[in-house]
Amino acid sequence: AQTVTQSQPEMSVQEAETVTLSCTYDTSESDYYLFWYKQPPSRQMILVIRQEAYKQQNATENRFSVNFQKAAKSFSLKISDSQLGDAAMYFCAYRSSTTSGTYKYIFGTGTRLKVLA
Amino acid sequence: EAGVAQSPRYKIIEKRQSVAFWCNPISGHATLYWYQQILGQGPKLLIQFQNNGVVDDSQLPKDRFSAERLKGVDSTLKIQPAKLEDSAVYLCASSFHRVGTTEAFFGQGTRLTVV
Repeated sequence: AQTVTQSQPEMSVQEAETVTLSCTYDTSESDYYLFWYKQPPSRQMILVIRQEAYKQQNATENRFSVNFQKAAKSFSLKISDSQLGDAAMYFCAYRSSTTSGTYKYIFGTGTRLKVLA
Repeated sequence: EAGVAQSPRYKIIEKRQSVAFWCNPISGHATLYWYQQILGQGPKLLIQFQNNGVVDDSQLPKDRFSAERLKGVDSTLKIQPAKLEDSAVYLCASSFHRVGTTEAFFGQGTRLTVV
């Protein structure tokens, strides 16, 4: 079974600085998707960035980028120029295939990011 | 397009009472998920529907939890009777897997407190 591990329960970053959140996963699949979701106090999960395992190029979305190391099964999120609005829980997620031809999403335990003014 | 709608946003009940949550997914999304998120943890999948059929309910405590998705659109999740350990946020999500759309879209969740 696939598992997702986030080993940093909490991280802090100074405003305008850069922070990296770590995620590792375990799978026997060769093609899959990985995601980072942000969950602010409003509780709504918001997609930050996605990465297809088939693509070697790391995904980027404005100030957010990933370091995807397929062989090491590592998927870290880098936030550049951190802003106060980035403070939230961040979840790493893996999209797993099901026997019915659909997909399910497996989440890590999350990292709480604090941004210091 | 409208997002995933959930209600209520908050619910407080006494243990052994029953409660129901409602979810309306994004129009056209065939797959619907219910997740349980206990404070300080990541979301855990309770049940997954494809249209109106159950794909995975392996982690649903079937002695007290039930869910249905009539006509492959709206869904309800029920707990009867509730226990203190059911206090959590219940998230509904939906997805429609096509080229360019790979993620699940989430509602704002229902925070359940069992006292």
